[in-house]
Amino acid sequence: EIVMTQSPGTLSVSPGERATLSCRASQSVSRNLAWYQQKPGQAPRLLIYGASTRATGIPARFSGSGSGTEFTLTISSLQSEDFAVYYCQQYNDWPPLYTFGQGTKLEIK
Amino acid sequence: QVQLQESGPGLVKPSETLSLTCTVSVGGTISSYCWSWIRQPAGQGLEWIGLICSSGNTIYNPSLESRVGMSVDRSKNQFSLKLSSVTAADTAVYFCARQYSHRSERWFDPWGPGTPVYVSS
Repeated sequence: EIVMTQSPGTLSVSPGERATLSCRASQSVSRNLAWYQQKPGQAPRLLIYGASTRATGIPARFSGSGSGTEFTLTISSLQSEDFAVYYCQQYNDWPPLYTFGQGTKLEIK
Repeated sequence: QVQLQESGPGLVKPSETLSLTCTVSVGGTISSYCWSWIRQPAGQGLEWIGLICSSGNTIYNPSLESRVGMSVDRSKNQFSLKLSSVTAADTAVYFCARQYSHRSERWFDPWGPGTPVYVSS
């Protein structure tokens, strides 16, 4: 099983500032990595797939980078609606065993 | 725009079988995709349970494989989950989600809103 580790567990950032979230895989997942945003009481929403491709309708302030075992989600200028929990997910494992990171909570500073 | 909706009992007794259905609607079709179940205990992270493709092929998380079954009903545009011998540890919000068929495109999008399931006598 590929273990996904996100850091930090909680990130406190002021609106308008940049947020950088990290995700590390226990072995290479190539670029087969997605990021999701989850707000309380809601389902996760796809933000990024293929490590760096924004999903339909996702604002340009969200960007993803990385390959192999190290990945980053950057939110360039935080808006109030961006404060949520963010998860990374790898889909490289075969036979498939899709795994998620434990999440990073992005909170208002 | 495809929409997914989970349905099923919100309360299941220990040792019984949890049964959930996901209905794909609003322009969506079961065909040509794979469909997954994912769960999230309260305040915790996400656990993938398994997937079923429109062909009927299934792949399950090894940690749950002995208790999981999935099926698809193309005529109703639905797919289903059965989880047997449940315990309190199976209490969670259960989500269904779509995946593309190609193994390099297996992100989850979209998701259903989720349905809470409690295991209690």
